[in-house]
Amino acid sequence: DAEITQSPRHKITETGRQVTLACHQTWNHNNMFWYRQDLGHGLRLIHYSYGVQDTNKGEVSDGYSVSRSNTEDLPLTLESAASSQTSVYFCASSESPGNTEAFFGQGTRLTVV
Amino acid sequence: GENVEQHPSTLSVQEGDSAVIKCTYSDSASNYFPWYKQELGKRPQLIIDIRSNVGEKKDQRIAVTLNKTAKHFSLHITETQPEDSAVYFCAANTNAGKSTFGDGTTLTVKP
Repeated sequence: DAEITQSPRHKITETGRQVTLACHQTWNHNNMFWYRQDLGHGLRLIHYSYGVQDTNKGEVSDGYSVSRSNTEDLPLTLESAASSQTSVYFCASSESPGNTEAFFGQGTRLTVV
Repeated sequence: GENVEQHPSTLSVQEGDSAVIKCTYSDSASNYFPWYKQELGKRPQLIIDIRSNVGEKKDQRIAVTLNKTAKHFSLHITETQPEDSAVYFCAANTNAGKSTFGDGTTLTVKP
């Protein structure tokens, strides 16, 4: 069965370190998204991609970057982790053109100490 | 950009009662409105969706209504059960594909 997986599921890192969260989908979806989820804020869009070599900033992109070298993967990098980036991160994918259901990964709980 | 407001933030009902969650959106170009359910510690999953050319959609105990003129849409759950307890998110999409989410409603169904 097609799926979308994130790794790691949990991570603790120190302030200032670079961290990369992995997202891999086997749906063959062109659209991929990264969200962060914090209490009281729902799901906020960090970055998104509509296909290979395409990346776009979302509403809370500062301090984060993504790259899309193939259809299956959209890794999220925190260039220099800050305590404000402690959150649960969800990757999602959907079919093009995009007004369709998003499928979410299991989430990654990141703690920056 | 799109702005989605969701109310109420918490909702407590007795088992068997109905629950209604309301959302408003700002971008008239939005044409797809999914609702996701997120159980504690789990990923959000789609429970129902509606497109802008439809006013109402029903799936067993769950229904969604859309008023394009007023830019609001609602989730209705009838005959609630304890397993309906979860956080519910509304979202609005344009053809560009990105979802703008509401802040979520925590629904508690008391046995």
